Amino acid sequence: DAKTTQPTSMDCAEGRAANLPCNHSTISGNEYVYWYRQIHSQGPQYIIHGLKNNETNEMASLIITEDRKSSTLILPHATLRDTAVYYCIVRGRGTDKLIFGTGTRLQVFP
Amino acid sequence: GAVVSQHPSRVICKSGTSVKIECRSLDFQATTMFWYRQFPKQSLMLMATSNEGSKATYEQGVEKDKFLINHASLTLSTLTVTSAHPEDSSFYICSARGGGLQETQYFGPGTRLLVL
Repeated sequence: DAKTTQPTSMDCAEGRAANLPCNHSTISGNEYVYWYRQIHSQGPQYIIHGLKNNETNEMASLIITEDRKSSTLILPHATLRDTAVYYCIVRGRGTDKLIFGTGTRLQVFP
Repeated sequence: GAVVSQHPSRVICKSGTSVKIECRSLDFQATTMFWYRQFPKQSLMLMATSNEGSKATYEQGVEKDKFLINHASLTLSTLTVTSAHPEDSSFYICSARGGGLQETQYFGPGTRLLVL
């Protein structure tokens, strides 16, 4: 599975959009990009995933560049409850495994 | 999203005893379940993958005789930490997915184990 690179930490003001970047320059054509988040002392929560098209659901939007080498998770109106560690994971089509990196610690402040 | 539960949420045990952690998928049938471990301030580390009715596949460096995994039904997997020692103290998290490989994995709330 391709490796991902994320900033260690980010801050965002409450009510503003939080844009979390992820680089996956070695991604191959059959690998999906998944985003999960982990709030302190809880299990990870699924957010969204995509292959090459942009995706949107009730939680977030996922923007994948045309060359698929990077993506951005967008939380349109961040709240204090969005404070968490966000993990960008690339998963191959033929594998079950989700391999977690170090993620981005997002701090939403009032 | 789908719901995965774990029991207990936290457990304290004496060194040398065994501890069993249950992972259940509440509203879907979990073809495959996964067990992770997370030490403080670190990321999740995959320990093993289990498919219903077959033996678990362990990641490199994880002792299969120490971490016994049973996936006897489509809604239940158990992890037993045998002869637990203080270094086994950790946050254990399971995840589950149904259907095909591309089905989304959903995670349980985790079990915090403290071995004295």
